[in-house]
Amino acid sequence: DADVTQTPRNRITKTGKRIMLECSQTKGHDRMYWYRQDPGLGLRLIYYSFDVKDINKGEISDGYSVSRQAQAKFSLSLESAIPNQTALYFCATSDLGPSGGNEQFFGPGTRLTVL
Amino acid sequence: GNSVTQMEGPVTLSEEAFLTINCTYTATGYPSLFWYVQYPGEGLQLLLKATKADDKGSNKGFEATYRKETTSFHLEKGSVQVSDSAVYFCALSPRNAGGTSYGKLTFGQGTILTVHP
Repeated sequence: DADVTQTPRNRITKTGKRIMLECSQTKGHDRMYWYRQDPGLGLRLIYYSFDVKDINKGEISDGYSVSRQAQAKFSLSLESAIPNQTALYFCATSDLGPSGGNEQFFGPGTRLTVL
Repeated sequence: GNSVTQMEGPVTLSEEAFLTINCTYTATGYPSLFWYVQYPGEGLQLLLKATKADDKGSNKGFEATYRKETTSFHLEKGSVQVSDSAVYFCALSPRNAGGTSYGKLTFGQGTILTVHP
């Protein structure tokens, strides 16, 4: 079984709709992240959470919100979807590790299309 | 702020050719450096990493050396295969002088590699 899972894997929605993307992990990591990937722009951080009570904005948080329901679950919401939020969304997890290297483990991604 | 710059792509090579993908970075403190690979239709996977200057990360025939003096972490492979076709991302994670990670990754824009038989 995959360590980091994302649901749904694909979603098509309309402008103005509310949508939630879900992420679950079985790695036991405290830290979780949401990124979006756009062609030619790499991955950009939307939100991150270092534990259940610690949630922080990333570089592109406008138009998004998150909820950390448990150590293993981290959801991303688009309150009112717009077409320029069409992208590939990734969830990731990490812990500090002995070297402090912060290796992150990624889910398979959710492809979101906003019409 | 922190930033990562990768060489422009896409890169197209014949099988068994030598590969170099350049990566330079700007960061405060003492970052850890990573190369991630994304195969078609999949999420990112860690390819290799280096956590301090002069460290060499290696995996699956790929290598990269952490060069603090040139702020670079170039990815190399001596003989590529068709199965290496993927998107490659260079990334950094800043740390303080004590080695504690600040937790966030900053990615380059990605380089598409296509290897032909």
